[in-house]
Amino acid sequence: NAGVMQNPRHLVRRRGQEARLRCSPMKGHSHVYWYRQLPEEGLKFMVYLQKENIIDESGMPKERFSAEFPKEGPSILRIQQVVRGDSAAYFCASSARQIGTNTGELFFGEGSRLTVL
Amino acid sequence: TQLLEQSPQFLSIQEGENLTVYCNSSSVFSSLQWYRQEPGEGPVLLVTVVTGGEVKKLKRLTFQFGDARKDSSLHITAAQPGDTGLYLCAGGGSTLGRLYFGRGTQLTVWP
Repeated sequence: NAGVMQNPRHLVRRRGQEARLRCSPMKGHSHVYWYRQLPEEGLKFMVYLQKENIIDESGMPKERFSAEFPKEGPSILRIQQVVRGDSAAYFCASSARQIGTNTGELFFGEGSRLTVL
Repeated sequence: TQLLEQSPQFLSIQEGENLTVYCNSSSVFSSLQWYRQEPGEGPVLLVTVVTGGEVKKLKRLTFQFGDARKDSSLHITAAQPGDTGLYLCAGGGSTLGRLYFGRGTQLTVWP
């Protein structure tokens, strides 16, 4: 009964490189969310996806960041040309039903910690 | 702008004491959730409250949702070192699929 799986757990990149973070939701969950956590800032919503569709990307920077959740395989959060300010913990969560409408509960992965040198 | 304000930000107490942490907003939420997060791990859901005035108990933890669905509190009775962690509240609103998190209360319970 695996939970939400994220990898890598830790990723170090130099400025200008690309970072790819992967997330496999819990079995049976078709809703995936990405959040970013900075020290003392709390979790900030980035993007909400269902299989093959981006539902809400209003929390994601328009440049350099992209996300996908293909029909087969994990969800990917991609950060191009990383900068030091991208250093953070990135959490993926999944739910069986849509949250924010009293109907769904969110299950988080253990996070991917990105450090940009 | 932080939609949900949590207080206190830090709380350090002795084992056996009682404590209450608060989650306040000027906005109305359709649901409110409490999570606990430990260092190096993701948040773990403790409870979801959806009805104004609702009270839920989870062993020594009591959660309350305000009548107007704008605020919530978490009360812990006879705290134990195992309760140590970051307690986060998160509100669900009209934007589907999105939760708004507070910054959290870092609780430390000393033996």
